[in-house]
Amino acid sequence: AQRVTQPEKLLSVFKGAPVELKCNYSYSGSPELFWYVQYSRQRLQLLLRHISRESIKGFTADLNKGETSFHLKKPFAQEEDSAMYYCALIGAQGAQKLVFGQGTRLTINP
Amino acid sequence: GAGVSQTPSNKVTEKGKYVELRCDPISGHTALYWYRQSLGQGPEFLIYFQGTGAADDSGLPNDRFFAVRPEGSVSTLKIQRTERGDSAVYLCASSQTLTVYNEQFFGPGTRLTVL
Repeated sequence: AQRVTQPEKLLSVFKGAPVELKCNYSYSGSPELFWYVQYSRQRLQLLLRHISRESIKGFTADLNKGETSFHLKKPFAQEEDSAMYYCALIGAQGAQKLVFGQGTRLTINP
Repeated sequence: GAGVSQTPSNKVTEKGKYVELRCDPISGHTALYWYRQSLGQGPEFLIYFQGTGAADDSGLPNDRFFAVRPEGSVSTLKIQRTERGDSAVYLCASSQTLTVYNEQFFGPGTRLTVL
């Protein structure tokens, strides 16, 4: 079975502090991992994906196959980073459906 | 250009009624997906289409749910005999083709409330 777990429903940090949003997954094969973000009153949008190896808005995420994790990190949080963040995977066996975690609401305090 | 659009944005209905939710994908996108998001949860997959055909409908919860995409563009999600547990935000997404390398672009969602 495919499952994504985001252990923190809420996360609050101060502006300028480092932030890490945790994501663990269970999948027997080699999934593709994604982070989606939803800002207030906006639609869900892709933030970054493992296959692109990109850094978007200062965020990075490293796939750790040993720990089955894909944590999202940013060294210096900004107020505009406050949003809902969802980790998601697509199984590599041809299925294109995204499997989402329950999400983490990140609040950046001034 | 225009993104994915969904209508209506809000739908309130009574238990037992029939509802239709519409999705207009980005022009030229051949793959279309439906997800359902209950309060406090992440989106859950329902069904996806490649062209006119449903490639995977394994997420539809029961036979009260049905989706069509007759011309390979607009899709309609149909729910018969609605129940209070169907209340959720229904999200539609589209991508250029059916591959993991193509980003899924999401619509704003339809908030369905069953009284």
